[in-house]
Order: sequence, then structure tokens, then C-alpha cells
Amino acid sequence: ELKVEQNPLFLSMQEGKNYTIYCNYSTTSDRLYWYRQDPGKSLESLFVLLSNGAVKQEGRLMASLDTKARLSTLHITAAVHDLSATYFCAVDRYYGNNRLAFGKGNQVVVIP
Amino acid sequence: GAGVSQSPSNKVTEKGKDVELRCDPISGHTALYWYRQSLGQGLEFLIYFQGNSAPDKSGLPSDRFSAERTGGSVSTLTIQRTQQEDSAVYLCASSVSGAEDYNSPLHFGNGTRLTVT
Repeated sequence: ELKVEQNPLFLSMQEGKNYTIYCNYSTTSDRLYWYRQDPGKSLESLFVLLSNGAVKQEGRLMASLDTKARLSTLHITAAVHDLSATYFCAVDRYYGNNRLAFGKGNQVVVIP
Repeated sequence: GAGVSQSPSNKVTEKGKDVELRCDPISGHTALYWYRQSLGQGLEFLIYFQGNSAPDKSGLPSDRFSAERTGGSVSTLTIQRTQQEDSAVYLCASSVSGAEDYNSPLHFGNGTRLTVT
């Protein structure tokens, strides 16, 4: 069974500082997704990582994938309040078909 | 453009009643997925449709759960004889294609919050 673990589950960040959150998964996969969820809202796609060594950046967020270590990281640069949300990573359960296994999420609160 | 639409947004029902949850995917998206999100948990995969066919029903928690999709578009998730443990947010998602488009993320609806009393 594919397991996806995210840590830390909860992280309080200070504005202006840098942080990294982690996503580990248990079986081979070369597709990993990051989503953002605001309270009471649905999930918004942030990044699609398709190969070992893939790195994508959007604004203050940068995601990377190491398929050998079965690890993805989401790095936040100079955190701002608007980045407060829960971040989910998801891994394709099978090759193709987008049937994703999700982690429990990293709940991020950015404090002024 | 229009995103994934789900209805109702909230549903409160008594234990033992049947409920139907509806999902209208993005036009042209052939793949459709149902997930369940319980409080403080990640998303649990329920079922996947490619067109009107459901090649993977492996996530349905019991035979009280069923889903169908018609016309390659709207899908309905039905829960019979609801139980309190069915209370959760049910999320629908669609993507351009489940198989060929490896770069296509899932587009999620806002979900239906189901409360079984």
C-alpha cells in the first residue's frame, strides 16, 4: 500500500523567514503533486513534478523531487501571511490515471 | 471558465437515509474522481471514471457506496443507509485525461460537506 507522509503536520512560521516542509512516500513513483487548501475551500494545484531532480518555483514557493529518496520538499522563502494554508502532497498510486494517494497535509500558519 | 461544480455544498441527513451527491466536471475533461476528506485527514480516494466507465472502484469503503457517470459528464455518488462515520467532505475532481496527459493535475470542486446525525 502506498503511504504518503508529510511533516511537520503543523508549522508556525514567522514572516520573513525561510522554511521547508517535507513529503515522503513509500513506493516507487515518478509523479508528485503539491496542492494548497485554504480553510473551507477546495484544493488548488501548485506544482506537478514529473521526474527525478525536478524543481519548480512559483513566487515564494519552490518544490523539488528526489525519486531515489522518495522525498519531495516544499521550500518557502521569506514567508508572508498569504501563504497560511494547508499544503498537501500527492503521489500517483499507479502509473498513469492520476489516482492519487494524499498525505495528511502540512498546516502552515504565518505569524506577523 | 467554469470549474468543477458540486452540489449540494452542505447536506445534513439522518442516520439510515440515502443521499446523492452530484459533480459536474470541467467541460471536456474525460477523467473524473471522487475523494473523501475527513476532519484532520488527507484525502481518501474513492472511485475513478474514465468516460462513463469506472475502471477503479477500489476505494469505495462499502457496498453502501456507489457512483455513476452519464454522458461522459455529470457524476452522482450515492450513499445508502448513511452512518455517522460517513460524515466528511466529499470532493470531486476532473482532469483532461487520466492516462495520457501526465502533466495534468486534478481540478477539484468545492466539495459537499455531509453530516450524518
